[in-house]
Amino acid sequence: AQKITQTQPGMFVQEKEAVTLDCTYDTSDQSYGLFWYKQPSSGEMIFLIYQGSYDEQNATEGRYSLNFQKARKSANLVISASQLGDSAMYFCAMTNYGGSQGNLIFGKGTKLSVKP
Amino acid sequence: GAGVSQSPSNKVTEKGKDVELRCDPISGHTALYWYRQRLGQGLEFLIYFQGNSAPDKSGLPSDRFSAERTGESVSTLTIQRTQQEDSAVYLCASSTLAGGEQFFGPGTRLTVL
Repeated sequence: AQKITQTQPGMFVQEKEAVTLDCTYDTSDQSYGLFWYKQPSSGEMIFLIYQGSYDEQNATEGRYSLNFQKARKSANLVISASQLGDSAMYFCAMTNYGGSQGNLIFGKGTKLSVKP
Repeated sequence: GAGVSQSPSNKVTEKGKDVELRCDPISGHTALYWYRQRLGQGLEFLIYFQGNSAPDKSGLPSDRFSAERTGESVSTLTIQRTQQEDSAVYLCASSTLAGGEQFFGPGTRLTVL
């Protein structure tokens, strides 16, 4: 069964410091994609970053990078130089390309609080 | 607008009533998804539409839930005989193709009294 596990219900980080949000996944498919979304208190889901299972390089998007360790089935999100506006829920998600229809499977999320 | 829109933004209903939620995807997006997010939880997949193909209903929690989509346009999610456990935010997303980046709407917050 496909599953996403986020073991950190809540995290605190000091402004301007880096933070890593953990995500492990379980799938038997060889072809899959991993996503991170941010959900501020307003409720919208904001796409942050994507990693394909065959991508050899770790994905980066501005201050966001994805630490992809395929053998360990982990896809941790690293946020560098945290800002107060980064305070939000962060969801890791996965989609399998091996025959599914592309729906996302989400973890339970990590609530990140950035302290001034 | 350029994004995914949903209506209503909030819906309060009484137990046992039927509700209909609407989603307008981004123009040209062939794939459309419905998700449910209970308070403090992640998103649960409900149903998926891809063009004119038969929808994937594997995530619908009961036969009280149904959804329709006409071509590549608007979709409606219907919940019949609502229960208190149906209270959640219902999110719609669309993408240019299956498995691609999904763009989410603002959601409909459903409260069943």
